[in-house]
Amino acid sequence: DAKTTQPTSMDCAEGRAANLPCNHSTISGNEYVYWYRQIHSQGPQYIIHGLKNNETNEMASLIITEDRKSSTLILPHATLRDTAVYYCIVRDPSGGGADGLTFGKGTHLIIQP
Amino acid sequence: NAGVMQNPRHLVRRRGQEARLRCSPMKGHSHVYWYRQLPEEGLKFMVYLQKENIIDESGMPKERFSAEFPKEGPSILRIQQVVRGDSAAYFCASSPSVNEQFFGPGTRLTVL
Repeated sequence: DAKTTQPTSMDCAEGRAANLPCNHSTISGNEYVYWYRQIHSQGPQYIIHGLKNNETNEMASLIITEDRKSSTLILPHATLRDTAVYYCIVRDPSGGGADGLTFGKGTHLIIQP
Repeated sequence: NAGVMQNPRHLVRRRGQEARLRCSPMKGHSHVYWYRQLPEEGLKFMVYLQKENIIDESGMPKERFSAEFPKEGPSILRIQQVVRGDSAAYFCASSPSVNEQFFGPGTRLTVL
């Protein structure tokens, strides 16, 4: 799996949009971008994934650049409960699901009241 | 549909004892993954199983650790002769397909 680079930490004011960047310059054509988060002392939680088109679900939006070398996870209206470590992971799912996820250090997002 | 269940949530063992961690995947999920998170570190993949088969155990320590996912019942991660360095949070995830993995709440193992 390709490596990803994320800022170590970010702050965001409650109620504002939180934009979390991720660089994955060596991503290959079959690899998707996945985002997970881990709230303190809990198991990781799946957020969203995409290949090349922008994606949106009830939790977040994922914006992937045209060259696919970077992406941004957007939490549109951050709340205090969104404080967590956010992991950007690139992965090729065509291996039949045999890949364990490779978690890096992620971004510690702190939502400020 | 209940989420991924893990028990016990907390487990204390003395050095040299055995630890058994259980994971019940979500209904309909046939893929199970185990991860370990050492204190102040990121999650590390350990093993991927399907019913009665170990598919990928590239992240498992070579000794003392084993995993199974029998035809009936939960997946089990077994650690024999535990040492202090085994103290960690162990997370199980299940998946219905090749995409998202759903994680359980974890088992926190403390070795005294």
